[in-house]
Amino acid sequence: EAQVTQNPRYLITVTGKKLTVTCSQNMNHEYMSWYRQDPGLGLRQIYYSMNVEVTDKGDVPEGYKVSRKEKRNFPLILESPSPNQTSLYFCASSSGERVKPQHFGDGTRLSIL
Amino acid sequence: AQTVTQSQPEMSVQEAETVTLSCTYDTSESDYYLFWYKQPPSRQMILVIRQEAYKQQNATENRFSVNFQKAAKSFSLKISDSQLGDAAMYFCAYRSAPGSARQLTFGSGTQLTVLP
Repeated sequence: EAQVTQNPRYLITVTGKKLTVTCSQNMNHEYMSWYRQDPGLGLRQIYYSMNVEVTDKGDVPEGYKVSRKEKRNFPLILESPSPNQTSLYFCASSSGERVKPQHFGDGTRLSIL
Repeated sequence: AQTVTQSQPEMSVQEAETVTLSCTYDTSESDYYLFWYKQPPSRQMILVIRQEAYKQQNATENRFSVNFQKAAKSFSLKISDSQLGDAAMYFCAYRSAPGSARQLTFGSGTQLTVLP
């Protein structure tokens, strides 16, 4: 089954404690992205990757890091989380082919106290 | 940069009736794609319908159809014969043509309530 898998689904942690949200896709997609969803703002892109070792900033990259060492994995790293990073996070992947939609993971609810 | 605007934060519709959700966007590109995504309380992002900008014909998927007005940069979603299961947050999204580095740009969403 084609899917994007995010872990964890929920996380409550404290300010300053480094965390990583993993994302893995089994569709051999070139494109992967991270979004955050906040009330009244929709989904905003944090980082995206067009292929292995190719990443770039989206609209709200501050406070986040990513890496793309393998095609299937695209982890999101919060080196020193702060309360303003409390949000719902989505990973997505796509093939980049014409009109092919993105496949989304089920989301990760992060709460930074 | 592209922007997507959904001016209706909340909408409600009576079961079996028709509702239209509005979306406008701003772009200087001529080749792009538009999508409507549904997000139920389970928070999954579910693709409802897609439209390619170079196609003049409006997309239709069962009870869901769009009114795509390219010159006006408008992309509304019509839901016919509304069902309780249609209750969700709906997001309009824009995507540049292949080869672009950017992915989806989303609107702020419209929360749809379906009244029994």
